Amino acid sequence: EADIYQTPRYLVIGTGKKITLECSQTMGHDKMYWYQQDPGMELHLIHYSYGVNSTEKGDLSSESTVSRIRTEHFPLTLESARPSHTSQYLCASSEQESSYEQYFGPGTRLTVT
Amino acid sequence: QKEVEQNSGPLSVPEGAIASLNCTYSDRGSQSFFWYRQYSGKSPELIMSIYSNGDKEDGRFTAQLNKASQYVSLLIRDSQPSDSATYLCAVGTHTGRRALTFGSGTRLQVQP
Repeated sequence: EADIYQTPRYLVIGTGKKITLECSQTMGHDKMYWYQQDPGMELHLIHYSYGVNSTEKGDLSSESTVSRIRTEHFPLTLESARPSHTSQYLCASSEQESSYEQYFGPGTRLTVT
Repeated sequence: QKEVEQNSGPLSVPEGAIASLNCTYSDRGSQSFFWYRQYSGKSPELIMSIYSNGDKEDGRFTAQLNKASQYVSLLIRDSQPSDSATYLCAVGTHTGRRALTFGSGTRLQVQP
């Protein structure tokens, strides 16, 4: 059972605002991921991290940025939100040397008006 | 060609029947295979993992892997309406990016 948390769960915000989506896990997992998923559509990897001070861009081009200063924390930031950023954002984590089983947080549903 | 392919469905089965979900993958170096269940509006939940050829059973779920054919399947026995969800196949390689590649999912509908 994974303990991975995301806040806020729901966010409605106006265009141009800066937002940070929080993701924390208590399992000590080295690897963490951010996915974007529109309703009924597939998951798209937007960022991942192998450990502290390690971040990489994923498959889907994203205007967001991430940081990994602590093992347990992997926040995602949008400097200037736009309606095209409206989506569900899912955070996941997995152990570094395991079989790559990923555990997902509950997600943040973002609406930009 | 997508790296992980699934039929989008919906796959409709009557309650009590066996649901069979299929997935093919393109990277022969893949070593880890997973099935996730995702209810509408929720996040994916890991339900099965398989790493070697053959069958792996867990309760009503059986995962099947055939690396030669690059094929993974999930069988759900005695399907229940609560099994209605989208099932995501995910494949991992232990080189390169070292992240899972997800299929687009198959929507399963279990009819009462």
